[in-house]
Amino acid sequence: AQKVTQAQTEISVVEKEDVTLDCVYETRDTTYYLFWYKQPPSGELVFLIRRNSFDEQNEISGRYSWNFQKSTSSFNFTITASQVVDSAVYFCALSLFSGNTPLVFGKGTRLSVIA
Amino acid sequence: DVKVTQSSRYLVKRTGEKVFLECVQDMDHENMFWYRQDPGLGLRLIYFSYDVKMKEKGDIPEGYSVSREKKERFSLILESASTNQTSMYLCASSPYSFKANNQPQHFGDGTRLSIL
Repeated sequence: AQKVTQAQTEISVVEKEDVTLDCVYETRDTTYYLFWYKQPPSGELVFLIRRNSFDEQNEISGRYSWNFQKSTSSFNFTITASQVVDSAVYFCALSLFSGNTPLVFGKGTRLSVIA
Repeated sequence: DVKVTQSSRYLVKRTGEKVFLECVQDMDHENMFWYRQDPGLGLRLIYFSYDVKMKEKGDIPEGYSVSREKKERFSLILESASTNQTSMYLCASSPYSFKANNQPQHFGDGTRLSIL
């Protein structure tokens, strides 16, 4: 069975601080995908990134960066110079490689960025 | 853009009622999913379907059923609504396989259901 753990339930930072959201996953499969979604107060889930298990390259997209380490089964998400608009619940998720498998979500981390 | 449409954004029903939540997607996706989101519990899978008339139980199917008569539509049914089914319900769809530049599951805006 797969499991995703987001140990940080809530994080509060002051605007312009950097913040890292942790994600640890468990799976016995060697091929899988990892994801991050953002859920702003309006409620919709916004897809941020997908990473497959063969690709451990870190990725940067603007102020967002992701650190994937298979050795520690972690897929952490860093926001640099946080802004108030980054306030949201962030979910890490995992799915197996085959087409018909659902996502397994972590419980989410609520990020509050204070002006 | 993929569009996943849930029939209601907010819904209030009474205990014991039969409740239907509808979800429609416009991208010919094979897979459709129903999740339930509760504070501190994240998203939990209720049911999913990978083809018309096919369904698979997720982690918390008790008290729910689903129907997929057409590829684009996936309905979640609360047979006899109870107060512990008050929650946010999210529908999602995805294609059969992830292609190189494909996106994962696409989500609707959610239905916030209150059972009184």
